[in-house]
Amino acid sequence: KAGVTQTPRYLIKTRGQQVTLSCSPISGHRSVSWYQQTPGQGLQFLFEYFSETQRNKGNFPGRFSGRQFSNSRSEMNVSTLELGDSALYLCASRTANTGELFFGEGSRLTVL
Amino acid sequence: ELKVEQNPLFLSMQEGKNYTIYCNYSTTSDRLYWYRQDPGKSLESLFVLLSNGAVKQEGRLMASLDTKARLSTLHITAAVHDLSATYFCAVDFASKLTFGTGTRLQVTL
Repeated sequence: KAGVTQTPRYLIKTRGQQVTLSCSPISGHRSVSWYQQTPGQGLQFLFEYFSETQRNKGNFPGRFSGRQFSNSRSEMNVSTLELGDSALYLCASRTANTGELFFGEGSRLTVL
Repeated sequence: ELKVEQNPLFLSMQEGKNYTIYCNYSTTSDRLYWYRQDPGKSLESLFVLLSNGAVKQEGRLMASLDTKARLSTLHITAAVHDLSATYFCAVDFASKLTFGTGTRLQVTL
C-alpha cells in the first residue's frame, strides 16, 4: 500500500513569490492535514480537509491556503512568501477508525 | 489553547539503561500519539493511545496514557544506538494534533 506522497520534495523560492505544494494521501483516506515544521516553532497545524471541505484551520495568515480535490489529493498554497516561511511542510492522511495520522516525507521550502 | 509539554528536551542515554520521556497536556483528550523523527526525515508513527490506561509496547519502547492526570509516558528499556532520534507526543483535540516540543534522544556507548 503506497504511503502519503508529497511533491516537490525540495524547492527554493524568493521573497514575494508564491508556491504550491501537492499531497496524495494513502488510498482510501479522505482526511488530509498539513503541518509546518520549523526549528523555532516546532510542528504547527495549518489545516485539515475532509471530502473537499476545510474542517479545521490553524493560526496562520491568509497567505496560507489549501484545497482538496474529489480524489482526496490536496494542495496548499503560500502567497507572497516571506523568509519566515522557510520550513518543512508535512502532509498527513488520517485513518477513519483510530484517527492515526500517517505523514509524507515533506516538502522542504527555502525562501531567499 | 491546548498546551503540550515534553520533558526532557534532550536525553543522553547510555546503552543498556532505562529512561522515560514525559508528555503533559492541558486539555482533556483521550487520543494521544507518539512519533519518531530521524534527522532530515518525516514523522514515523510509533503508538496510538486511545483510552485511559492504554499501554502499548513495541520492542524496547512502551507507551502509556493516563487521561485523568493528562500524562503520557514513553519508556525506553535497555537503550540501543538505533533509538537515537527525536520523539514527539501529539494530542488529538478538535480534529487536529498539537505536538509537544520533542525530545532528542542520543544513545552513547
